[in-house]
Amino acid sequence: IQLTQSPSFLSAAVGDRVTITCRASQAISSHLAWYQQKPGKAPKLLVYGASTLQSGVPSRFSGSGSGTDFTLTINSLQPEDFATYYCQQLNTYTPLTFGGGTKVEIK
Amino acid sequence: EVQLVESGGGLVQPGGSLRLSCAASGFDFSFYEMNWVRQAPGKGLDWVSDISSSASTIHYADSVQGRFTVSRNNAENSLFLQMNNLRVEDTAVYYCARRKFFYGSSGYQGDAFDVWGQGTVVTVSS
Repeated sequence: IQLTQSPSFLSAAVGDRVTITCRASQAISSHLAWYQQKPGKAPKLLVYGASTLQSGVPSRFSGSGSGTDFTLTINSLQPEDFATYYCQQLNTYTPLTFGGGTKVEIK
Repeated sequence: EVQLVESGGGLVQPGGSLRLSCAASGFDFSFYEMNWVRQAPGKGLDWVSDISSSASTIHYADSVQGRFTVSRNNAENSLFLQMNNLRVEDTAVYYCARRKFFYGSSGYQGDAFDVWGQGTVVTVSS
C-alpha cells in the first residue's frame, strides 16, 4: 500500500489553519496514524485510528477520513508546530508504510 | 517513565555487520509488538521490521529481507536487529518503536507507534 502526502512542503504563518492530506493506494478503513517530527528528534504520535487524538496532543490538531483519503488539520498554527508530519498505514504488513512527509515551515 | 533506548550504531564498511539493541523500561515489554524504523539522511521514515510480543510472528521490508534479523529477549526487556551484508543505502538513523493497540468503551479504536527511542546512527561507507 502506497501513501501519498500532499503537499510535500508548505509555508504558513502563526495563526493559520493548515491541512495536510494523505491518500492511500487502496482502502485502509481507519487504520491510519499521524506523526510529528522535529529536526534531530524521534517522531511523536499525534493521531491514531485516523481521527483519535493521542493523549496530551493539543486540541488544535485533528484528523479525519477513512478508506483512501485522510487529512490532518492544525487550527491556529503555533510556533512549536513547525515540523515535518508523516502519515502511516497500519492496515496490512505489506509493509507498514509511511507517507513521504509534509514539511511545515514559517512564512 | 516509559522509555526506549537504542544502541549499537556506528560506522561499518559495505558488506559488514552490526547488531542494534533497544532497551525498554517503564512498561510490560513482553506484551507489545515492537518495530524498527529507519530514516536516511534528509529522507522520510522507512519501516524496517516488526516482531510480535512472543516473537512468533516477524515481518521485514523487502529491502532488508534476508540480510536483517529481528529478535527479542522479553526476560531482559530488549529488542535486537542483526544487520548483515550492509549496503551504503542502509545508512540511516534507526529507531525502535512500540506498537500499541488502543481500546475504548466501544472497543478497538486504532493502533500506532506510540513510543519511540531516540535513534542510533548507522553509517555504511568505505
